Amino acid sequence: DTGVSQDPRHKITKRGQNVTFRCDPISEHNRLYWYRQTLGQGPEFLTYFQNEAQLEKSRLLSDRFSAERPKGSFSTLEIQRTEQGDSAMYLCASSLAPQGSPEQFFGPGTRLTVL
Amino acid sequence: SQQGEEDPQALSIQEGENATMNCSYKTSINNLQWYRQNSGRGLVHLILIRSNEREKHSGRLRVTLDTSKKSSSLLITASRAADTASYFCATDLYNDMRFGAGTRLTVKP
Repeated sequence: DTGVSQDPRHKITKRGQNVTFRCDPISEHNRLYWYRQTLGQGPEFLTYFQNEAQLEKSRLLSDRFSAERPKGSFSTLEIQRTEQGDSAMYLCASSLAPQGSPEQFFGPGTRLTVL
Repeated sequence: SQQGEEDPQALSIQEGENATMNCSYKTSINNLQWYRQNSGRGLVHLILIRSNEREKHSGRLRVTLDTSKKSSSLLITASRAADTASYFCATDLYNDMRFGAGTRLTVKP
């Protein structure tokens, strides 16, 4: 399967714990995006990378959130001191932009539940 | 913050009927994309229309774009039960995409 993969698919944690999610984009895609989606809503942009450079972060992304893409391939999203409000589906996507199509290919998501 | 707003929020039709969903947005855009999401799963890209295009077709899908009204519509013809999903429009101006809250389409067999 050469699509976008995310790991884990589900994560249950207690409030105050740190969690880390991984995303493996399609190999030739330079752009990688992170989104958060809550029930009944559309995906909400968090941040994106062009190769290893993090070019934009949403103002909604608090200091407890950090993302990396150290070698321009896979990416990790870490949430420190989780809160119940962090419970959501975290989606990763990749694209060929800017050189190619801006169409984004999404992974299956990581569902986070903070107890 | 979300840029697009889909209308209606929910739509229920019989198999074989056409489904029309609308999207309005607030700022200038480079392109507008439509995505489908089956329950609890990732999003699948359906179609992209650029700001200088007015209409585009892909199979049973027809998308229109009116930049003067900052609106787009997605028409699914001859709907099937398998079209049951949430449909989102997404816009971008620079490098990030803004999604609406989606239209939940139910196609009854």
